[in-house]
Amino acid sequence: QVQLLQSGAEVKKPGASVKVSCKASGYAFTYYFIHWVRQAPGQGLEWMGWINPNSGRTNFAQKFQGRVTMTKDASIRTAYMELSRLRSGDSAVYYCARELFYDSGKYYSPWNYAMDVWGQGTTVSVSS
Amino acid sequence: QSALTQPPSASGSPGQSVTISCTGTSSDVGGYNYVSWYQQHPGKAPKVIIYEVNKRPSGVPDRFSGSKSGNTASLTVSGLQAEDEADYYCTSYAGSNNGVFGTGTKVTVL
Repeated sequence: QVQLLQSGAEVKKPGASVKVSCKASGYAFTYYFIHWVRQAPGQGLEWMGWINPNSGRTNFAQKFQGRVTMTKDASIRTAYMELSRLRSGDSAVYYCARELFYDSGKYYSPWNYAMDVWGQGTTVSVSS
Repeated sequence: QSALTQPPSASGSPGQSVTISCTGTSSDVGGYNYVSWYQQHPGKAPKVIIYEVNKRPSGVPDRFSGSKSGNTASLTVSGLQAEDEADYYCTSYAGSNNGVFGTGTKVTVL
C-alpha cells in the first residue's frame, strides 16, 4: 500500500545536525512532491519546505533557509531532510508528506493540491 | 509568512454542527483557492479532509465541508460524532511556491 516510512527517533546536542529519511512505497516516487512539516510538543504544525523528487528542486520556508537541506535518492525512493545548528527549540516531531506533482499529463505546482499521505513522524530531541 | 489565524478551541454536542474559521490575508487565503484542512488525532499524523477550499478526498464523510469568503476560510463539521474530537489545521498557498499552516483548533465533542 501507499506509505511513507520515516527513520527512527534522534537525540542530538545543541549545535549538531540531524538527518531524517522518508522512504516511499506503493506509488511513483517522482510523481509527488515531498513536504517536510514539524510539530513542537503541544504546538501546531509548521511547514519547513518541499523537494521535487523528479528534479531535486527545493523551496524552503524563510525561517529555515540557510539551516535546512532537502535531498532525494530516487533509486531507493527516499527523501531526506537535514537540519543543522540545532537548538532546543528544534525539538519536535518531524513529518514528511507527499503532494501530487504529475498525473495523466498534467503538472501541478506545490500547495495546489493536498498532502494526502504522511509519514509516521520522527521525534528529534535536542538537549545538552 | 505569518500563520493563519484559527480559534484555539470549538465545541459541540453529538449531532450538532461546529464551524472553524481560518483567517489570512489577500496574499494567501484571499488570493488563491488552495485552502486545505487537516484533522489530527493525538499522537497521530495529520489527515487531509478538505482540499481546494471545498473538495473532499475519497473516504472523507460528507459531514465535513469547506468554504471561503474573502480572506477567511471555514470548515464545518455537521452531525458531530465522538471521533471528530481532534485538532484541525487549515493551510493555504501563499505565493512563490510557499504555503502556510493555521494556528490550529481543538474541537471537543461535549
